Amino acid sequence: DAGVTQSPTHLIKTRGQQVTLRCSPISGHKSVSWYQQVLGQGPQFIFQYYEKEERGRGNFPDRFSARQFPNYSSELNVNALLLGDSALYLCASSFRDVGFSTNEKLFFGSGTQLSVL
Amino acid sequence: EDKVVQSPLSLVVHEGDTVTLNCSYEVTNFRSLLWYKQEKKAPTFLFMLTSSGIEKKSGRLSSILDKKELFSILNITATQTGDSAIYLCAVHPGSGTYKYIFGTGTRLKVLA
Repeated sequence: DAGVTQSPTHLIKTRGQQVTLRCSPISGHKSVSWYQQVLGQGPQFIFQYYEKEERGRGNFPDRFSARQFPNYSSELNVNALLLGDSALYLCASSFRDVGFSTNEKLFFGSGTQLSVL
Repeated sequence: EDKVVQSPLSLVVHEGDTVTLNCSYEVTNFRSLLWYKQEKKAPTFLFMLTSSGIEKKSGRLSSILDKKELFSILNITATQTGDSAIYLCAVHPGSGTYKYIFGTGTRLKVLA
């Protein structure tokens, strides 16, 4: 079975541009979470979606938005890019809702490396 | 504020050595703790520790959870160069919270 897949793997943008990152969860998984990992830091939570509904949002500005589709895939959008948005964006899937299910593991994709110039 | 602290930040050892990685946490209502290995990009799952499972072992890797003292350790015995990676610890702060809180990770380098 395929794991979590993310596209693109690398992306270079300039300040002010907009970007869309894509994620396909493990087959059968209904929850997708997005994390930002700046070089030298641990992943920081951005969003969690379960059954196409936003279930949680981290401390990120409104320039960050996401959605989940009926097939449980997800997109993360970032508008008005800043230099500080340069990071590895990780998508993680889980079978159930991370917030209410007991002991739900996250399975990560390989991420999208975003560079903002 | 919920937080997870890992130590050391980095570690260099020789093949065959044993290493101990530390993860301490302060969270509102602990539910579970996860360990991941991040070699290039994708963190890969190692262990989950909970109130009902405070010790795990898989081959040369083992982990324990001390809920009283609020920390976990990850042990790797007979290290190999393939163990070189960043090891991440993540804690779930409790019901109704939709995120895991990650530490900054420990960068392990194993020399041949």
